[in-house]
Amino acid sequence: GQQLNQSPQSMFIQEGEDVSMNCTSSSIFNTWLWYKQDPGEGPVLLIALYKAGELTSNGRLTAQFGITRKDSFLNISASIPSDVGIYFCAGPTGNQFYFGTGTSLTVIP
Amino acid sequence: EAQVTQNPRYLITVTGKKLTVTCSQNMNHEYMSWYRQDPGLGLRQIYYSMNVEVTDKGDVPEGYKVSRKEKRNFPLILESPSPNQTSLYFCASSSGGSDYGYTFGSGTRLTVV
Repeated sequence: GQQLNQSPQSMFIQEGEDVSMNCTSSSIFNTWLWYKQDPGEGPVLLIALYKAGELTSNGRLTAQFGITRKDSFLNISASIPSDVGIYFCAGPTGNQFYFGTGTSLTVIP
Repeated sequence: EAQVTQNPRYLITVTGKKLTVTCSQNMNHEYMSWYRQDPGLGLRQIYYSMNVEVTDKGDVPEGYKVSRKEKRNFPLILESPSPNQTSLYFCASSSGGSDYGYTFGSGTRLTVV
């Protein structure tokens, strides 16, 4: 199956700092999605990207669809304690839907 | 409320004892899928279904079965569970196909001893 690698694997940051994470694939995707998983819950869709080069925001979150179609980036500005969780990139290939390995974010008040 | 409901949330069982994890969605979604989540591996797709009576293997289907007799339900069956199936399982559904992402249930934490 597809391999989506996310980095960093984990992050520990101070409240108020900005966060950047990325996701890379060995093959091209036509759609990139970013999910957040709160502790003890299922992932929730944050942002969907459908076009190479696209930059989309959702509040303090901004995601970009890489121009090579093999990567995507997520930025969180002015982090707050409720940003804690695991962030996953994801994308479809045919009828299958693949997730990245995840970036675990801890925000220190 | 639009949701995907999984049961049970927690399950401890013994090796070889057949079990079923139920999944139901109330959004009239055509696409449904099962994932398992393991540390460092992210979420891996077990099986998916594009519509009633249509199911396909994902990346890690060994040891699992599914059925899709009704649009709203997509149970996951472990005929003979083994310890390596200890994991966190998620059911998910989608209205617009895989391009639009999935709505996830709250998860089932399974331990096989």
